[in-house]
Formats: sequence, C-alpha cells, structure tokens
Amino acid sequence: GDSVTQMEGPVTLSEEAFLTINCTYTATGYPSLFWYVQYPGEGLQLLLKATKADDKGSNKGFEATYRKETTSFHLEKGSVQVSDSAVYFCALKGAQKLVFGQGTRLTINP
Amino acid sequence: DAGITQSPRYKITETGRQVTLMCHQTWSHSYMFWYRQDLGHGLRLIYYSAAADITDKGEVPDGYVVSRSKTENFPLTLESATRSQTSVYFCATRGGARIIEAFFGQGTRLTVV
Repeated sequence: GDSVTQMEGPVTLSEEAFLTINCTYTATGYPSLFWYVQYPGEGLQLLLKATKADDKGSNKGFEATYRKETTSFHLEKGSVQVSDSAVYFCALKGAQKLVFGQGTRLTINP
Repeated sequence: DAGITQSPRYKITETGRQVTLMCHQTWSHSYMFWYRQDLGHGLRLIYYSAAADITDKGEVPDGYVVSRSKTENFPLTLESATRSQTSVYFCATRGGARIIEAFFGQGTRLTVV
C-alpha cells in the first residue's frame, strides 16, 4: 500500500541555518504530495503541495520539488527562524485518503 | 467562518466508559477523517467517510465507531475506553476531486485513566 517515510527527528538548528527534511514515498501512480506543519497545541496546517512530477511547491520561504525518479519530496528552507520551530509532516494523497509520514520535530535556537 | 470544530478540546474519562468526540464542519466538504496522533507513530487513520452514510475503516479502527448521518457531522465513539486509546484525536475534511488537501481541526486530547 501507499506509504511515506520521512527523516527521523528531532532536528535542532541555529537561526539562519539551512534546512532539509527528507521525504520519500511509495505509491501506485503519481500521487499529489504535501507538507503540513503543526505548531504546539494546534492542528495541522497545509504548508505546500505539488500535484505532478517536477512541480515545486513553495510557501513562507519553504520549498519542495516533486521528484518522480527518486520518489522524493524533500522540504528545504534557506534560512530558518525561531518561529519555524514545529513538527513537519510529509503526506501523499491516495485514492481517497491522505497518508502521512511520522513527522519531524524541528527546533530552531536563537 | 468556523471551518472545522472539534469538541471537547480536552477530556478525561475512565476505563470502560463510552465517550464520543464531536467533529463539525461548515464547508460541506465530502470527505471527513479521524486520525490519532501518538508519539513515535505520527498520524494514523482511524475511520473516514466519503459522504453522508458512507464510512470506511482506516488502519487502526478497533475499539472505535463512527457515523455520518449528516454531511457536516462526523462523531467518533469509543465504545469502552481503554488506556491505549489515550491520544490526541484530529478530525479533518477534504472537499473532493478539486480540493485535494485536507483541513484539520484543533484536536481533542483524550486521557483514559
């Protein structure tokens, strides 16, 4: 069945560092891919999405490119801020439902 | 515009009791989902619904019951709560073919003692 694997956390970085959170998937066909973010005490919010191969999703300085060849959708940000501290989930849309990775907790220190 | 409302936000119940978590949406989205979030497991799908009166099991349905008599409501019932059901529960909706992303409620933190 469909599955998502993302890098294990927690990840701790200093402010202004470069961020990469790896995500790979297994699915039939070419599913839509997503990154969601969860701030403390809140539900998940959509951060960005990509619906087809080579699409790049971007939002709030975060980017991810849909790589069909490597079945990957890695999340990147050039310069992180303390306010980016959160849990990040990679997900894919199957036939009817979303399948999530385990989440990566990110902490940014000033 | 409330979007998705989950209630209660926090709940403590005793082992063996029945408890119902409520989820209400104002968008008339076709799909509704219940997930549980546990440390080390990420989000796991309990049940989902494609429309009123259509429900299906997710990956961890045992011990839970759902119903969807109206499009806007999707309650989740724990028939006889167990300590292993202590978790944070999230309800989510998705519009259908054109709206591919899911929208999440604020969550219900359930503790079974």
